[in-house]
Amino acid sequence: GENVEQHPSTLSVQEGDSAVIKCTYSDSASNYFPWYKQELGKRPQLIIDIRSNVGEKKDQRIAVTLNKTAKHFSLHITETQPEDSAVYFCAASNPRGGYQKVTFGTGTKLQVIP
Amino acid sequence: NAGVTQTPKFRVLKTGQSMTLLCAQDMNHEYMYWYRQDPGMGLRLIHYSVGEGTTAKGEVPDGYNVSRLKKQNFLLGLESAAPSQTSVYFCASSYSQVATEAFFGQGTRLTVV
Repeated sequence: GENVEQHPSTLSVQEGDSAVIKCTYSDSASNYFPWYKQELGKRPQLIIDIRSNVGEKKDQRIAVTLNKTAKHFSLHITETQPEDSAVYFCAASNPRGGYQKVTFGTGTKLQVIP
Repeated sequence: NAGVTQTPKFRVLKTGQSMTLLCAQDMNHEYMYWYRQDPGMGLRLIHYSVGEGTTAKGEVPDGYNVSRLKKQNFLLGLESAAPSQTSVYFCASSYSQVATEAFFGQGTRLTVV
């Protein structure tokens, strides 16, 4: 089955700096890569996603890049703010078996220091 | 529009007791999922359903059962609770076939003593 590895597990940055979280996946059939943000005590919520036919996607301060050949994708947050502090999960979804199966990474706890 | 709603939000069980977690969604989603979240292990899929009347095992199904009698509801049962099942449980739902965003419930914190 699919295996998603996520690094780093924790990340501390100064407010205003950039943060980068990296994920790798194993199944070349994966075609959808969402990123979820989970604030303390809250539910995970989608912040950005990318499909396999796109190499990069940007939404204000957040961007995601995908390298299908190397099977890795990354989340980039620029000009970080204290409210960016949360746990971020990457995921890979693939249609093997006739349905979209989603596998999550183990999460990155981001701390933005004011 | 409530989205995905889980009940209860908190529960303490004694070892060997049973309980059912209820998940309800009002978005007419075909797919529903149950995950457990443990520190350092991300979200692990317990069981899922691709439509009313269907269920299938995920990554960590042992000790759990599920039912999807109605499209909007997905129930997770613990037959005989064990301390290893202490976790935060999340239900989620999404549209079918085309990969899209999963919407999560607010979570259930379960402690088994």
